[in-house]
Amino acid sequence: SYVLTQPPSVSVAPGKTARITCGGNNIGSKSVHWYQQKPGQAPVLVIYYDSDRPSGIPERFSGSNSGNTATLTISRVEAGDEADYYCQVWDSSSDLFGGGTKLTVL
Amino acid sequence: QITLKESGPTLVKPTQTLTLTCTFSGFSLSTSGVGVGWIRQPPGKALEWLALIYWDDDKRYSPSLKSRLTITKDTSKNQVVLTMTNMDPVDTATYYCAHRRAYCGGDCPGDFDYWGQGTLVTVSS
Repeated sequence: SYVLTQPPSVSVAPGKTARITCGGNNIGSKSVHWYQQKPGQAPVLVIYYDSDRPSGIPERFSGSNSGNTATLTISRVEAGDEADYYCQVWDSSSDLFGGGTKLTVL
Repeated sequence: QITLKESGPTLVKPTQTLTLTCTFSGFSLSTSGVGVGWIRQPPGKALEWLALIYWDDDKRYSPSLKSRLTITKDTSKNQVVLTMTNMDPVDTATYYCAHRRAYCGGDCPGDFDYWGQGTLVTVSS
């Protein structure tokens, strides 16, 4: 079965750039979606179809996908970006989530 | 405006069957490409996809839980129901339903663009 691998944690200082990766075999051939989840809240879609942003999501959030790695990039990180981030793909008629990455803003 | 809300028991005993209802508004589950999925999250752990039902009543299940899950829809009531049999304490989790939009008119990639608030289900005797 397909496996998505995310680093458990990423730390970044305010104003810097955070990059959260999602690894999978030839993931570049799939559509990758990213969700932000803050404590006690439901996930929120922040990037879909590799690099598109839903309305209301700041331009600081961007995504890319190539080869075996998809990346969520958050520019000019703010304290409010501290959250868990999950990638999601569709494989063999099933949806699949990565293990999640906790973003800590130092 | 799309909204979804989960409802069901907060506590179930081991071996019992869990029935959860997702009541939604702002979209029709008879529109091509639309689906409703269930996703759960054990306390402190990652999201886990469980099941999906499409507008045409096509259904998909997590391979690891397929034997225990059933998903149905009532388009007239704007509801989707998930049943999970033989509940175990490891099934303790917050259960979410979410609106899924697909990038084609059939079984294909899609994202979950609207989520319910989730409902915590505890499995304990």
